[in-house]
Amino acid sequence: GENVEQHPSTLSVQEGDSAVIKCTYSDSASNYFPWYKQELGKGPQLIIDIRSNVGEKKDQRIAVTLNKTAKHFSLHITETQPEDSAVYFCASMNTGNQFYFGTGTSLTVIP
Amino acid sequence: DSGVTQTPKHLITATGQRVTLRCSPRSGDLSVYWYQQSLDQGLQFLIQYYNGEERAKGNILERFSAQQFPDLHSELNLSSLELGDSALYFCASSVSAGTQYFGPGTRLLVL
Repeated sequence: GENVEQHPSTLSVQEGDSAVIKCTYSDSASNYFPWYKQELGKGPQLIIDIRSNVGEKKDQRIAVTLNKTAKHFSLHITETQPEDSAVYFCASMNTGNQFYFGTGTSLTVIP
Repeated sequence: DSGVTQTPKHLITATGQRVTLRCSPRSGDLSVYWYQQSLDQGLQFLIQYYNGEERAKGNILERFSAQQFPDLHSELNLSSLELGDSALYFCASSVSAGTQYFGPGTRLLVL
């Protein structure tokens, strides 16, 4: 089955700096890659997603890039703010509609 | 608020018992997904239903079962509970496949 690896597991950045989280996947047939933000005591919240026919997608301070050849995708957060502190998960969906999640990155933005 | 509701919020039970978790998807969403989140296993996809039919299966134990009813709400049944089943259980919904919206979760504690 699919194997999604995510790193780093923890990340601390100064407010205003950028944060980058990377994920790799193993199933070349995977075609949808969402990113979720999970705050303490809450369910994961979709923040951005990308499909396999697109290389990059941006939404204000958040962007996702996908390299299908290398089978990796990354989340980029610019001008980080304290409220960006949370656990971030990447995921991939294969052609069987099964979702596989990364192990999460705990992001801390230091004011 | 994602629009997905889950009940109960918390559940404490004993080993060997059976529990039922309930999920109501967002209005208009036909797909329901169930996930288990534990500290050592991360977020694990269990099962997906689409308009009452099972669509995809993940790492769901034989002791667990789920169904989606005609009104599109779903229930996850966990039986012969073990200590290791203690976890957060999330439900998510989507229109079909792809963008998912997560509920607040049910925290299950098996003693």
